Amino acid sequence: NAGVTQTPKFRVLKTGQSMTLLCAQDMNHEYMYWYRQDPGMGLRLIHYSVGEGTTAKGEVPDGYNVSRLKKQNFLLGLESAAPSQTSVYFCASSYVRGGDEQYFGPGTRLTVT
Amino acid sequence: AQSVTQLDSQVPVFEEAPVELRCNYSSSVSVYLFWYVQYPNQGLQLLLKYLSGSTLVKGINGFEAEFNKSQTSFHLRKPSVHISDTAEYFCAVMGYGQNFVFGPGTRLSVLP
Repeated sequence: NAGVTQTPKFRVLKTGQSMTLLCAQDMNHEYMYWYRQDPGMGLRLIHYSVGEGTTAKGEVPDGYNVSRLKKQNFLLGLESAAPSQTSVYFCASSYVRGGDEQYFGPGTRLTVT
Repeated sequence: AQSVTQLDSQVPVFEEAPVELRCNYSSSVSVYLFWYVQYPNQGLQLLLKYLSGSTLVKGINGFEAEFNKSQTSFHLRKPSVHISDTAEYFCAVMGYGQNFVFGPGTRLSVLP
């Protein structure tokens, strides 16, 4: 049982490049989330999914897109990276949306130059 | 909408001393409350949670927290800290059927 895994662990992009971050969970959770973590700001929700084939915007969705084609996977895309997207990205999953803890992946450190 | 305040961005404390990390929240609905810990270069790990029932909640690694509805607080405590408790601690609030809202975090440094 690997829990929540994220690929890659580190990435450096140049402004304007694109990339996709992959999140996978093996706990059969319905809900999945993408957060970004910036110093002094805690974690902010980018997008989330309440089930296979569904996505919804969180607090800071601009510049990001997501897809949930399979229940166990949740992809985060950056179409044209900007330096403001330099951050640590965390994926999380939960069985239900209210009243249940979220399980976090180890994070992806992204630098945009 | 919910919000979370963690007044102390950094808390230094000597080993074996007690510690309290403060968390206050605001919400117009009933909430669930959580404390997560993040060790260096790792993801977040659940320390404890309050869903209902007893207002004193015990978690892993000897931590506990008390929910105070009148003061809208959920402070985290440990009677005697260890070097290994050095980490960043996040308080989070969730309204039923809504998303998590995290506080900005408190960095706990345990000094020898």
